[in-house]
Amino acid sequence: DTGVSQNPRHKITKRGQNVTFRCDPISEHNRLYWYRQTLGQGPEFLTYFQNEAQLEKSRLLSDRFSAERPKGSFSTLEIQRTEQGDSAMYLCASSRTGGSKNIQYFGAGTRLSVL
Amino acid sequence: DAKTTQPNSMESNEEEPVHLPCNHSTISGTDYIHWYRQLPSQGPEYVIHGLTSNVNNRMASLAIAEDRKSSTLILHRATLRDAAVYYCILRDNAGNNRKLIWGLGTSLAVNP
Repeated sequence: DTGVSQNPRHKITKRGQNVTFRCDPISEHNRLYWYRQTLGQGPEFLTYFQNEAQLEKSRLLSDRFSAERPKGSFSTLEIQRTEQGDSAMYLCASSRTGGSKNIQYFGAGTRLSVL
Repeated sequence: DAKTTQPNSMESNEEEPVHLPCNHSTISGTDYIHWYRQLPSQGPEYVIHGLTSNVNNRMASLAIAEDRKSSTLILHRATLRDAAVYYCILRDNAGNNRKLIWGLGTSLAVNP
């Protein structure tokens, strides 16, 4: 068990550019979540996958955001035409069906800075 | 989603017990009480969870009030590595809701 892995750890981009983050969940976990966290706040839910199906999306996930999990393993989160307000820590978590009350295991996050 | 209320910050001395309170007066019968913590520059980490009975694990204990409207996370002997933000979260175990709804948490400082 190598834990949830997120890449890159840090991303600096200019406003208007597209960025993509990757999350590799714990191997036997079929559920995968994306959260966003700004300074001094708790994480905010963005979206959730069970296997390859995206089952829930937050209203925070505007049209510029898209997430995929094509083979039910790793997931990508893409932000198009980034804005300064997108600057945040993007957290990925995974859990397994039938696991103890949906305990979620988090990666270290990708910190995005939009200049 | 049911909400929780926690103090913004608390302070403790090393090797002393710490009691972190959480109020959840609107808790429903199917809500589990989860605690996570987040160390500086890291992702959140699961600590403990419970439904009605008090729970113990290697990290902490969870004391749940009889009416379930409040709970307390107990760190028996705080260490410097326990300095973190502690989040109390209600997770609805009914239906297909799988997301966690986070508040602001309690920032715990541990003094040497």
